[in-house]
Amino acid sequence: ETGVTQSPTHLIKTRGQQVTLRCSSQSGHNTVSWYQQALGQGPQFIFQYYREEENGRGNFPPRFSGLQFPNYSSELNVNALELDDSALYLCASSLVGQRGTGELFFGEGSRLTVL
Amino acid sequence: AQSVTQLGSHVSVSEGALVLLRCNYSSSVPPYLFWYVQYPNQGLQLLLKYTSAATLVKGINGFEAEFKKSETSFHLTKPSAHMSDAAEYFCAVSNLGGGADGLTFGKGTHLIIQP
Repeated sequence: ETGVTQSPTHLIKTRGQQVTLRCSSQSGHNTVSWYQQALGQGPQFIFQYYREEENGRGNFPPRFSGLQFPNYSSELNVNALELDDSALYLCASSLVGQRGTGELFFGEGSRLTVL
Repeated sequence: AQSVTQLGSHVSVSEGALVLLRCNYSSSVPPYLFWYVQYPNQGLQLLLKYTSAATLVKGINGFEAEFKKSETSFHLTKPSAHMSDAAEYFCAVSNLGGGADGLTFGKGTHLIIQP
């Protein structure tokens, strides 16, 4: 089975720009979550998507948005980038439901630098 | 609201010695508790999880953790440290098992193994 893959691995943007990060879920998983990990900190929950709809959100502003596609891949979009958005963005997929434990499987992340 | 406190941002032990990483949590409902490990430039990997089935939880790579409700703790231990255990360790709590409420992570503990 394939694991969670994220792209790009590294990118640099300037303040005010927009960025799209992509994630391919592990095969068979139906749920995807996104986390932001600032340098030296633990990951913070941004939101979760299940069946193409957002079904949970952390304390992040609306300029953080996402999509989940029918093949369970996902995008994280961040508008009007700020310097504090510089972080490692982690995608995690899971299988929720009778056949799943909900265990999160993480990708290696996309490191965003905002200048 | 739930929270996690990891005591000690850095822990150093000698190879072969006991590893003890401390985690205290707060939660308004019976929690799901997790330990994750992160190696440099990689995503997070689940070591073990507590879901109320047993208070002593065994995980991968010889790690285990004990849930103590009276102390609101979930400390991670390993009897004998190995050089390959050097990594960042994160404790996390969830009310829904990593579902729509996401995981709340601690700030992490960097484990250093001395030869």
